[in-house]
Amino acid sequence: AQKITQTQPGMFVQEKEAVTLDCTYDTSDPSYGLFWYKQPSSGEMIFLIYQGSYDQQNATEGRYSLNFQKARKSANLVISASQLGDSAMYFCAMTSGAGSYQLTFGKGTKLSVIP
Amino acid sequence: NAGVMQNPRHLVRRRGQEARLRCSPMKGHSHVYWYRQLPEEGLKFMVYLQKENIIDESGMPKERFSAEFPKEGPSILRIQQVVRGDSAAYFCASSPRDRTLQETQYFGPGTRLLVL
Repeated sequence: AQKITQTQPGMFVQEKEAVTLDCTYDTSDPSYGLFWYKQPSSGEMIFLIYQGSYDQQNATEGRYSLNFQKARKSANLVISASQLGDSAMYFCAMTSGAGSYQLTFGKGTKLSVIP
Repeated sequence: NAGVMQNPRHLVRRRGQEARLRCSPMKGHSHVYWYRQLPEEGLKFMVYLQKENIIDESGMPKERFSAEFPKEGPSILRIQQVVRGDSAAYFCASSPRDRTLQETQYFGPGTRLLVL
């Protein structure tokens, strides 16, 4: 069975600084996908970025990048130039196995951006 | 371009009542997933549906919970005889399922169910 671990319950970052949110995963399947979602205080789940296990390059989407280290089984989210609107819960999730669809989520990291 | 729609956003029920949660997937998406989020937790998979078919309900409690996705209309998650432990946020997600390797699911805003 797959597992996602987020070890940082809460993080603080100064506005305009970069921040890294940690995520490690465990699966025995060579085919998997890694996802990050943002959940602001309003409650919705917003998709941020995706990394496939066979992707050669780290995924990037605007200010978000995913630091994918396959050997370490880590998929850290890097947010550059933090903004006040980045304050939210961030969840790392994965699907495991070709054609799989069940997302397994970590417990999340609460990010607070300080002005 | 409307995203995944869920209603109601908030639902209050007394113990023993029924709760009906609705989800309309994104345009062009024919696959719907329901997840539950307990306080201070990540989301947990409940059920995966296509039109008129339940594909996987392995995450759904065997009793009191049911889900459907009819040919016409939204997907419905139904909880009968609610108990306090059912209080949670229920999220619906959809995807096109074009059989790419790992497909992104797009979530609705969730329904917050409170059982008194």
